[in-house]
Amino acid sequence: DIQMTQSPSSLSASVGDRVTITCRASQGITNSLGWYQMKPGKAPERLIYGSSTLENGVPSRFSGSGSGTEFTLTISSLQPEDFATYFCLQQHRYPHTFGQGTKLE
Amino acid sequence: QVQLVASGGGVVQPGESLRLSCEAFRLTFSYYGMQWVRQAPGRGLEWVASIGYDESNIRYGESVRGRFTISRDNSKNTVHLQMSSLRPDDTAVYYCAQGPSRSDFWSGYRNWGQGALVTVSP
Repeated sequence: DIQMTQSPSSLSASVGDRVTITCRASQGITNSLGWYQMKPGKAPERLIYGSSTLENGVPSRFSGSGSGTEFTLTISSLQPEDFATYFCLQQHRYPHTFGQGTKLE
Repeated sequence: QVQLVASGGGVVQPGESLRLSCEAFRLTFSYYGMQWVRQAPGRGLEWVASIGYDESNIRYGESVRGRFTISRDNSKNTVHLQMSSLRPDDTAVYYCAQGPSRSDFWSGYRNWGQGALVTVSP
């Protein structure tokens, strides 16, 4: 199985900060990675797919980059509604696997 | 806006069975595969099962293989997860998610349901 190592597991930040979250894959997954936002009691929301393509309707302050084994999600200027948990997901090969999540607080 | 609505969660005892359902709205359901993903309390997300748009390519995670069965009814825009021989470590919120279509790999995991809580407890 492909292991996804996400860091950090939690992150303290303030409105206006620039934050970066990283996922590392245990083997190459080309660009088959997505980033998701999760809030309690709500369905997860996809922010980025294909490593760097912004989902329709997602604010441009979110961006993704990377290929192969190292990927990053960047939020350029945190807004109050961005305080949530973020996770990465690799769809390169089954079983699809997830990063452990980053709680932004 | 696509909506996936999961139902069927509840509290069961070890060894019992439960069936989850996920109905899709505003989605051409028969075009897309479907996935089930779960999150146990305090743990990360785990992919559980997937089914192709035409009921082909059925796959299971190692921890549920032989106990869980994924199926779909395209006439009702619904995917099911039949869970048998449930164990306490199956306790989790179960999410359904859109899978890829024939022509769009990136449609996979675009939309998710809100989750159904399954608790397996003596």
